[in-house]
Amino acid sequence: GENVEQHPSTLSVQEGDSAVIKCTYSDSASNYFPWYKQELGKGPQLIIDIRSNVGEKKDQRIAVTLNKTAKHFSLHITETQPEDSAVYFCAPLDSSYKLIFGSGTRLLVRP
Amino acid sequence: DADVTQTPRNRITKTGKRIMLECSQTKGHDRMYWYRQDPGLGLRLIYYSFDVKDINKGEISDGYSVSRQAQAKFSLSLESAIPNQTALYFCATSEPTGQGETQYFGPGTRLLVL
Repeated sequence: GENVEQHPSTLSVQEGDSAVIKCTYSDSASNYFPWYKQELGKGPQLIIDIRSNVGEKKDQRIAVTLNKTAKHFSLHITETQPEDSAVYFCAPLDSSYKLIFGSGTRLLVRP
Repeated sequence: DADVTQTPRNRITKTGKRIMLECSQTKGHDRMYWYRQDPGLGLRLIYYSFDVKDINKGEISDGYSVSRQAQAKFSLSLESAIPNQTALYFCATSEPTGQGETQYFGPGTRLLVL
């Protein structure tokens, strides 16, 4: 089955700085790579995703990059704001069409 | 997400009791999921259902059972609750798009087993 590792587990940045979270996976058949954001007291919500036929996707201050050869993908947040503080999960889709969630990264943006 | 609702939102029960957590959705999705969230462990899949007649075990199904009563309803039961089932439980729905899928999560049920 798919093994997913996410780093770092916690990340503290100054407002306005960039944040990068990395996710590695083991199933070479995976071809869909989403990132979810979980705010306090809520369920996770999709913020960005990427398919295996592209290497990068951007949506305003958020981007995801994919390296299929090395089997890792990363979430990039630029110009961080306090409202970006949350827990972020990577969740590659395995060959059985199930999302396999990483252990999460708690991001704190200091004002 | 108001399209996916979970009841109850909080529950305290005692060891050995049978309890049911309920999930309803108005998104019209065929696929539904139950996850468990523990601190530092992310979300782990308990059971999932790709349509009304389909039930599949996930990563951690022991001690749990599910019922898919209709397209819109998916219930999770703990047959005999134990303290290490204390966790946050999430229901989710999805609709495949051919190249991946977005899962929509409910607000969660916080369960404490004494």
